[in-house]
Order: sequence, then structure tokens, then C-alpha cells
Amino acid sequence: ETGVTQSPTHLIKTRGQQVTLRCSSQSGHNTVSWYQQALGQGPQFIFQYYREEENGRGNFPPRFSGLQFPNYSSELNVNALELDDSALYLCASSLSSLAYTQYFGPGTRLTVL
Amino acid sequence: AQTVTQSQPEMSVQEAETVTLSCTYDTSESDYYLFWYKQPPSRQMILVIRQEAYKQQNATENRFSVNFQKAAKSFSLKISDSQLGDAAMYFCAYRPLSSGSARQLTFGSGTQLTVLP
Repeated sequence: ETGVTQSPTHLIKTRGQQVTLRCSSQSGHNTVSWYQQALGQGPQFIFQYYREEENGRGNFPPRFSGLQFPNYSSELNVNALELDDSALYLCASSLSSLAYTQYFGPGTRLTVL
Repeated sequence: AQTVTQSQPEMSVQEAETVTLSCTYDTSESDYYLFWYKQPPSRQMILVIRQEAYKQQNATENRFSVNFQKAAKSFSLKISDSQLGDAAMYFCAYRPLSSGSARQLTFGSGTQLTVLP
């Protein structure tokens, strides 16, 4: 069984650019959640995708957007990058939107200069 | 809104000893889940233990156990026979059971655990 994978591992961008982060969910999981973890803090919920539809969103601006594909993999897109977007971005998958356990990937470290 | 508070930014324990990490939370929900996740330097968030709020019995997973006090909204993690591999950042997390929400996890700010040889 393959766990949750994310790419790339690290990324460096400059302010104002756009970035796409990718996540492959664990086999059999149809729900993907994205979290932002700033340095020294706990993860903050960005949004969740269930069967290709957004299924809830945290307190993040519209420049944070996402997609989920028919194979349940997912993308997180961030436009007009700001310095404060520098963080570890974690993807988590679960069996369904009702499942109470989420399994996390290793994260993508984004640095905005 | 739900909040999760971990009041111990750092803790240390001697190898083979026992340590307890504290967590409190605030919610108006009656049904929910609580979790402890471990995040080692590799950054991968690993589930340590989970507790269903409707269960009175405290969850146990090998050397890890919780003390769940629903009325006090307290959820502490006890690590027995601490090992060097237990060194990591530990996060307490809450997830509502109610419908109409994305059932996302709300995390505390974490406790950095150091295990001393």
C-alpha cells in the first residue's frame, strides 16, 4: 500500500509568483485535505476536496485554490505569493470525508523570497 | 470556533522514564475525536493515538496512553518507557463529528519533546 506522497520536497519562489504543489492520496482514499504549517506552529486547515469538489475551507484568501482529479490526487495553487506564504504545506488523505483519521504526506517546504 | 491549547512548548524526559504532555480544548460540540500526532524532523506527521469522545475508556497504544477528561476538556498523552525515537514535536488535534463541516483537524501549537540518554 502506497502512502501519501507530495511533490516537490522543497521550492523557492519570489514574491508575486504563482506555485503549484501536488499530492497523491493513499490508495483507496477519496478525500484530500491541505494544511499550512508556519515555522514553530501547528498546521492550519486550508481546504478539503472530496470526490473532486471542495468540501470545506479554512480562513485562507481566494488566491489559495485547489483541484482534485478523478484518481483523487490533488493540487494546491497559490497565486500572488507573499512572504508570509513561506511554510510547510501538508497534504492528508482519508478514506472518505466522514473518516475520522487523516494520513499525512511528508510535506512541501515553500520559501518565498 | 474550536481551539486547542498546548501549554508546554518544550518538555524533556530521561530515556526509559515516563512523560505526560498536556492538551486542553474548547468546543460546544458533544461528539468529536481527539488525536495526538508526532512530527519528527523528517516532517511527516504520524498518528500516535486517537480517542472518540463518546468512549469513556481511555485509549492505549503500546507505550502511549491518554487521560481523557471530557468535562474538563482535557486530553493528555502519557509516554511510558521513553525511547530516543520518541523525540519529536507532538501535536494535539481535534476533529468534530457533526455534519455540515469539512471535519478538518484543528491543531494545537505543539510540544517539542526531547529524550535524554
